[in-house]
Amino acid sequence: KAGVTQTPRYLIKTRGQQVTLSCSPISGHRSVSWYQQTPGQGLQFLFEYFSETQRNKGNFPGRFSGRQFSNSRSEMNVSTLELGDSALYLCASSGEADTQYFGPGTRLTVL
Amino acid sequence: AQSVTQLGSHVSVSEGALVLLRCNYSSSVPPYLFWYVQYPNQGLQLLLKYTSAATLVKGINGFEAEFKKSETSFHLTKPSAHMSDAAEYFCAVTPGGGGADGLTFGKGTHLIIQP
Repeated sequence: KAGVTQTPRYLIKTRGQQVTLSCSPISGHRSVSWYQQTPGQGLQFLFEYFSETQRNKGNFPGRFSGRQFSNSRSEMNVSTLELGDSALYLCASSGEADTQYFGPGTRLTVL
Repeated sequence: AQSVTQLGSHVSVSEGALVLLRCNYSSSVPPYLFWYVQYPNQGLQLLLKYTSAATLVKGINGFEAEFKKSETSFHLTKPSAHMSDAAEYFCAVTPGGGGADGLTFGKGTHLIIQP
């Protein structure tokens, strides 16, 4: 079974721009979660989607948003990018057993 | 609310020696606990998980962890370290069941293997 895939793997943007990251979960998984990883703050939960509905979100500003499609693929959007948004963004999918399986991540650099 | 504390941001052991990575958690409800490993420029790989069944959990690559409720601990061990074990290790907690709550991670422990 294929794992979680994330595209693109690397991205360079400038301040003020917006960016969209994509995540395809493991086949059959309906829950998708997003995390931000930075050297200073570590791994932080952004939000979780299940059957196209956001069920939970972490403590991030409204510039961070997401959505999930009927095929469980998910996108994450960050608007008005700031230098501090530079991070590794990780997507994880989960089936019935509440175990999250992570993708390789998208490395976002904001200049 | 949940929190995770990993004692020691860096742990160095000799090849063949015991690996012990410490994790203490706090949770207002019975928790699910996880250990993940991250190699450079990669995502997180699940090593093992505790979901209220057996307290001694065996994972991949020879790792195991024991859930001790009285000590609120979930330490990761491996009897004999291998050079390929060098990586960043993360302990994580989430409220048991439901699936909507995100994982709360510790700050991570960088495991160094000395030849």
